[in-house]
Amino acid sequence: SQQGEEDPQALSIQEGENATMNCSYKTSINNLQWYRQNSGRGLVHLILIRSNEREKHSGRLRVTLDTSKKSSSLLITASRAADTASYFCATDAWGAQKLVFGQGTRLTINP
Amino acid sequence: GAGVSQTPSNKVTEKGKYVELRCDPISGHTALYWYRQSLGQGPEFLIYFQGTGAADDSGLPNDRFFAVRPEGSVSTLKIQRTERGDSAVYLCASSRGTHLTGELFFGEGSRLTVL
Repeated sequence: SQQGEEDPQALSIQEGENATMNCSYKTSINNLQWYRQNSGRGLVHLILIRSNEREKHSGRLRVTLDTSKKSSSLLITASRAADTASYFCATDAWGAQKLVFGQGTRLTINP
Repeated sequence: GAGVSQTPSNKVTEKGKYVELRCDPISGHTALYWYRQSLGQGPEFLIYFQGTGAADDSGLPNDRFFAVRPEGSVSTLKIQRTERGDSAVYLCASSRGTHLTGELFFGEGSRLTVL
């Protein structure tokens, strides 16, 4: 079963707008990671946030983590057509020897 | 090469046949992961190696699936008596430390189609 669940499953916005994706998980974690996947390609790491961190920034990306609610959000500001992709959160269940991915959010940026 | 390399990129086989998928991780990466991904789904964990040993193989669906990493570098995922339900993209990833400390670097995947 998946540890993380993304919401929404699909998101379509206009270029220049901000995109927000959410991830919820079930068990305590060491860290939470966000990955991006272009159609037919492998996954690319975007950002890692540790369980003792609340917010992290990388360029146009902002990630928040609320361990009390077991949830995270990924914000992409000033979206571009090239941001069109699927976005996945991934978590390690505390003590587990694996990284588990959610079902992903399919983001479409319309020019 | 600089990245994770997976071969073949595409494999079409018939039901009941044996298949091997190869993963060449980034040099120096001790952790290696296999996932499989069906269309429209997230990657599903199969197995995680730390060095030569399988640290977690709880994701292998049944005993038709087996993976090895004999020298702690290249890994081979082996599927016996393939079934149509095995059709998916098989993704390999490597990491310098583990998923607990850093990012995973993914290959482009091997697309397996079982007819």
